Amino acid sequence: NAGVTQTPKFRVLKTGQSMTLLCAQDMNHEYMYWYRQDPGMGLRLIHYSVGEGTTAKGEVPDGYNVSRLKKQNFLLGLESAAPSQTSVYFCASSQPGGDQPQHFGDGTRLSIL
Amino acid sequence: AQSVTQLGSHVSVSEGALVLLRCNYSSSVPPYLFWYVQYPNQGLQLLLKYTSAATLVKGINGFEAEFKKSETSFHLTKPSAHMSDAAEYFCAVSRRRGKLIFGQGTELSVKP
Repeated sequence: NAGVTQTPKFRVLKTGQSMTLLCAQDMNHEYMYWYRQDPGMGLRLIHYSVGEGTTAKGEVPDGYNVSRLKKQNFLLGLESAAPSQTSVYFCASSQPGGDQPQHFGDGTRLSIL
Repeated sequence: AQSVTQLGSHVSVSEGALVLLRCNYSSSVPPYLFWYVQYPNQGLQLLLKYTSAATLVKGINGFEAEFKKSETSFHLTKPSAHMSDAAEYFCAVSRRRGKLIFGQGTELSVKP
């Protein structure tokens, strides 16, 4: 029973490099989300998707892009990494509806040097 | 605009003592409210949620929270703390399309 799986778990990048974070869910959820977690700031929404082929901006979208080509996968891309993007990234999924709880992956720790 | 404020970034209690973690929200419409727990190096897990069915909500691991509209609060309590309760706790309010607005988090320490 995997739930939400994020890969990789850790990564170190140099400034200017690019990478893609992968998120996969096996619960047939419609909605998927990408958050970043920074000390003292809780979690902040980067981008989200309400269905296959759709994406939308969250609170802090600058410097990130996303794609949802398949319902079960949600990809987060950094085109040109910056030190300010050093963070822990969490993917989550849920059924539609504001009362539905989100299910979270274990996170990706990303350091930008 | 909706927002969430958690009072106290760090709370320390003794094992067996009452746990009280404070959360206040602002919302122009009746909110959906959630408490999540995060153990070290893990993702967030749902503790409980308020969806207007009952003002006192019971969750997992003996936690409960009471929705008080007049105080715009949704404080989390547990009568007796256990060492395994040490973790970070997040209060969140739901927006359209399920988007969550999180508080800053409260780290709970439990002393033996």
